[in-house]
Amino acid sequence: GEDVEQSLFLSVREGDSSVINCTYTDSSSTYLYWYKQEPGAGLQLLTYIFSNMDMKQDQRLTVLLNKKDKHLSLRIADTQTGDSAIYFCAEIHTGTASKLTFGTGTRLQVTL
Amino acid sequence: SAVISQKPSRDICQRGTSLTIQCQVDSQVTMMFWYRQQPGQSLTLIATANQGSEATYESGFVIDKFPISRPNLTFSTLTVSNMSPEDSSIYLCSSTRGTGYNEQFFGPGTRLTVL
Repeated sequence: GEDVEQSLFLSVREGDSSVINCTYTDSSSTYLYWYKQEPGAGLQLLTYIFSNMDMKQDQRLTVLLNKKDKHLSLRIADTQTGDSAIYFCAEIHTGTASKLTFGTGTRLQVTL
Repeated sequence: SAVISQKPSRDICQRGTSLTIQCQVDSQVTMMFWYRQQPGQSLTLIATANQGSEATYESGFVIDKFPISRPNLTFSTLTVSNMSPEDSSIYLCSSTRGTGYNEQFFGPGTRLTVL
């Protein structure tokens, strides 16, 4: 079955860049997503990338995909205290009819 | 994007009782899903809610424990039956407008505590 792994915790200073990493095992992953979950809230879709892309930039967010190594990363530039949350990567692969497989989640703590 | 609401937002229930969670989407969508997020854990898919037919359950989840209805394209319910403390979780519904790739949006979740 699919396996999506993330590091559990990341702490950065306000204003620095954050890089959250994700590895996956299923080579047929077609779409990869990043979601944000703030305390007590649901999931907010941040961005996504197709598997035929290497990079996608959206304002402060940059997604890098290394398909050979099955490695996905999310870079947040100029990290703010409002970015403190849990970040989940998720993937859909061919033939699963939109079913998302989520990573274990990374808790980002932004300090002053 | 789709706006998804869930009711109730949270509940505290007694062991052995059942709770029905409602999910309403503000526009017609093709796919609706129910996920469970156990404390401190990631999300696990419970089932795909199919309009007008029985839901499709993932391994480890059964209809008797988690009956699901989807009477139309914008509404679904999940019932957590005969609850035990192990069912304490956040239950989230999500929707997407098509199969394959589509942005998948989530409701705010229902936080369930079973005593």
